[in-house]
Amino acid sequence: EAGVTQSPTHLIKTRGQQATLRCSPISGHTSVYWYQQALGLGLQFLLWYDEGEERNRGNFPPRFSGRQFPNYSSELNVNALELEDSALYLCARKGQEAKNIQYFGAGTRLSVL
Amino acid sequence: DQQVKQNSPSLSVQEGRISILNCDYTNSMFDYFLWYKKYPAEGPTFLISISSIKDKNEDGRFTVFLNKSAKHLSLHIVPSQPGDSAVYFCAASWEGGGADGLTFGKGTHLIIQP
Repeated sequence: EAGVTQSPTHLIKTRGQQATLRCSPISGHTSVYWYQQALGLGLQFLLWYDEGEERNRGNFPPRFSGRQFPNYSSELNVNALELEDSALYLCARKGQEAKNIQYFGAGTRLSVL
Repeated sequence: DQQVKQNSPSLSVQEGRISILNCDYTNSMFDYFLWYKKYPAEGPTFLISISSIKDKNEDGRFTVFLNKSAKHLSLHIVPSQPGDSAVYFCAASWEGGGADGLTFGKGTHLIIQP
């Protein structure tokens, strides 16, 4: 059991709009990682939140942003959507038995038309 | 610059035989390696991992081998079953790796033929 819930499952937007994606780790987990998986590519690290703070971000433009709430759920916001933002966005939590293992939610499929 | 490479986009194996998936890495700072399995419309599922202090880790039908000098790891699945058909991702991190997330390869699509 991954212990990560993501919503919505699918999201369709048009170019220039904003998208908001949500992630909730199971209780007791304070870290949330966001990844982008574009078609034909591996997962690319986007953002890491821990204890309510952004701890690190990958090589993505500033229009990719987010936040983490006091209950450790998280939002990923993508502003000024471009066609190439169409991808599967995955959220992960750290494992308890080994901090380098991450467990993923089912993802949000974002389609930009 | 791809730090984790899976050079075979797809692999077809007969049911009951051994599946061998390969992965190469370039960053010598990586000291922890993972394999994930992904079905369509689902998130990646953790399969097995290995620390750089070991050269082999086994869990049921899955064994991961690590060759540090060659910067190469492989996942062996024996025997292969139809439910193993999926995309397999190799990932790497280092001890302080919480900061940078995991670095993934592009994946290998494993097809198990009856």
